[in-house]
Amino acid sequence: DAGVIQSPRHEVTEMGQEVTLRCKPISGHDYLFWYRQTMMRGLELLIYFNNNVPIDDSGMPEDRFSAKMPNASFSTLKIQPSEPRDSAVYFCASSLRLRRATNEKLFFGSGTQLSVL
Amino acid sequence: AQKITQTQPGMFVQEKEAVTLDCTYDTSDQSYGLFWYKQPSSGEMIFLIYQGSYDEQNATEGRYSLNFQKARKSANLVISASQLGDSAMYFCAMREGVQSSGSARQLTFGSGTQLTVLP
Repeated sequence: DAGVIQSPRHEVTEMGQEVTLRCKPISGHDYLFWYRQTMMRGLELLIYFNNNVPIDDSGMPEDRFSAKMPNASFSTLKIQPSEPRDSAVYFCASSLRLRRATNEKLFFGSGTQLSVL
Repeated sequence: AQKITQTQPGMFVQEKEAVTLDCTYDTSDQSYGLFWYKQPSSGEMIFLIYQGSYDEQNATEGRYSLNFQKARKSANLVISASQLGDSAMYFCAMREGVQSSGSARQLTFGSGTQLTVLP
């Protein structure tokens, strides 16, 4: 089975440029999550979707960040304009809805290492 | 307040020995789940083991076991017979139940413990 697929694996861009990160969740999964990992703040939830609908975007840092899920097999996280402080590893994860929600485990993609110069 | 606390930024263990990675959590829910993930230097996040708050037995998965002490709100990961490939960052995470988080499905992660296995 294919896992969660993220692209690109690495992205280097200049300040002010638009960056788009992509994610394909595991087929059949109901939930999709975007996390950001930095040394200072650890793993932070940015946003998550249930059946393609954004449920909680309270972790999105500011209006420069936006996320979409146009269908069950694709999501994007866009940063426009990008800033050096956005440099981080961005993970996408998906999970399957279970009868007991606390059991649901997250399957992570390999992450996108973003460097904004 | 931190929901997940991992007090050991770094740990060393000799190959073939057992090691315990500490994790304490904070929740007022009766129903919650606790997870451990491994992040090797290559960067991916690998699920290791899960413990439900109502599970009476401690979870085990191969060389991994979870020492769950509900009254102390601790969920320590025990790795037996350490191998060089166990060197990685280990994260403890929690999903709370309905009371405190409604229908929230996200995991909240601790800051991690960097484990180094010595030959």
